[in-house]
Amino acid sequence: EAQVTQNPRYLITVTGKKLTVTCSQNMNHEYMSWYRQDPGLGLRQIYYSMNVEVTDKGDVPEGYKVSRKEKRNFPLILESPSPNQTSLYFCASSSKGGRQYFGPGTRLTVT
Amino acid sequence: AQSVTQPDIHITVSEGASLELRCNYSYGATPYLFWYVQSPGQGLQLLLKYFSGDTLVQGIKGFEAEFKRSQSSFNLRKPSVHWSDAAEYFCAVGPQTGANNLFFGTGTRLTVIP
Repeated sequence: EAQVTQNPRYLITVTGKKLTVTCSQNMNHEYMSWYRQDPGLGLRQIYYSMNVEVTDKGDVPEGYKVSRKEKRNFPLILESPSPNQTSLYFCASSSKGGRQYFGPGTRLTVT
Repeated sequence: AQSVTQPDIHITVSEGASLELRCNYSYGATPYLFWYVQSPGQGLQLLLKYFSGDTLVQGIKGFEAEFKRSQSSFNLRKPSVHWSDAAEYFCAVGPQTGANNLFFGTGTRLTVIP
């Protein structure tokens, strides 16, 4: 079954404690992205990747890092989380010219 | 600059009534347009997309959307709403090159009254 998986699905952490949200896809897609969703703001892109070792900033990259060492994985790293990064995060993947497949979301709370 | 506007934050309709959700976009090139639906506590499900060709596109769950280039619009419609359609709806625009960077609208929340 074609899918994008994210882990963890829910996370509560404290300010400054580094965390990683993993994303994996099984469709051999070249493109992967991270979005955050906040009430009244819709989804905003954080980072995207067009292939292994190729990443670029989206609209709201501050405070986040990504890496793309393997085609199937695209982890999102928060080196020093802050409360304003409390949000719902979605990973997505697609082939070139194809539709995006979204993961189930990760709800992050930073206290 | 790219942007997507969904002017209606919240719409309430009666079950069985028709529905139209508005979406206007600003994009520098020929866009790739999408409508997604998000039920409470759920992820995003693709309803339909427009890439090229016929400007009236059919999607899942009885939804359709019409691309009007002259109006920069991509409105979503359904002739008869069901209670299960209550959700949040997002319009999105992206490049036809297939780059994975979509711009989303802020969403329209649909409430369905029995």
